[in-house]
Amino acid sequence: AQSVSQHNHHVILSEAASLELGCNYSYGGTVNLFWYVQYPGQHLQLLLKYFSGDPLVKGIKGFEAEFIKSKFSFNLRKPSVQWSDTAEYFCAVTSSGGYNKLIFGAGTRLAVHP
Amino acid sequence: EAQVTQNPRYLITVTGKKLTVTCSQNMNHEYMSWYRQDPGLGLRQIYYSMNVEVTDKGDVPEGYKVSRKEKRNFPLILESPSPNQTSLYFCASSLQGVRSYGYTFGSGTRLTVV
Repeated sequence: AQSVSQHNHHVILSEAASLELGCNYSYGGTVNLFWYVQYPGQHLQLLLKYFSGDPLVKGIKGFEAEFIKSKFSFNLRKPSVQWSDTAEYFCAVTSSGGYNKLIFGAGTRLAVHP
Repeated sequence: EAQVTQNPRYLITVTGKKLTVTCSQNMNHEYMSWYRQDPGLGLRQIYYSMNVEVTDKGDVPEGYKVSRKEKRNFPLILESPSPNQTSLYFCASSLQGVRSYGYTFGSGTRLTVV
């Protein structure tokens, strides 16, 4: 079965530090990849998505992600984090079977200290 | 404002007492889905619907029912809730499928079953 692995469950950074959150998926075929963010007490919001084309995807709030097909990876990056980036981040991939299944990783909790 | 609306936001109930969590979207989306979010497990799909009267099971459907009598509404029904259904629930909708558009999520319903 298709799966998504997020390597870090908790990340603590100081403001202005660089961020990279790892995401690997298990499916070898065509995939669509997403990063969602969940701020404390809020619903999930789409940060960015990859469907095809340029493997370097830029999203909102200065985030970007790079799709590396050979590594089955879709890591999220931000050059300089802010306190307001404190949130939980979820990587997700569409399944091989259907149009409605978005398979999520377990999430990474990011805490940014001033 | 385009949105997915869930009610209630918080619910505490007792084991065995039937409950319904409502979900409504105003974007004329065809696809709707229910997820539950548990710590360390990310989001797991309960049920999804591709259109009116078309529903199917996700990864964790046991103990849940859904219906899609109208395009905008997709209620989640727990006929006999149990404590292991204590979780954070999200409804989501998509215009024509996750593969093309990703999901828009509601604000969540935190359910506690005692």
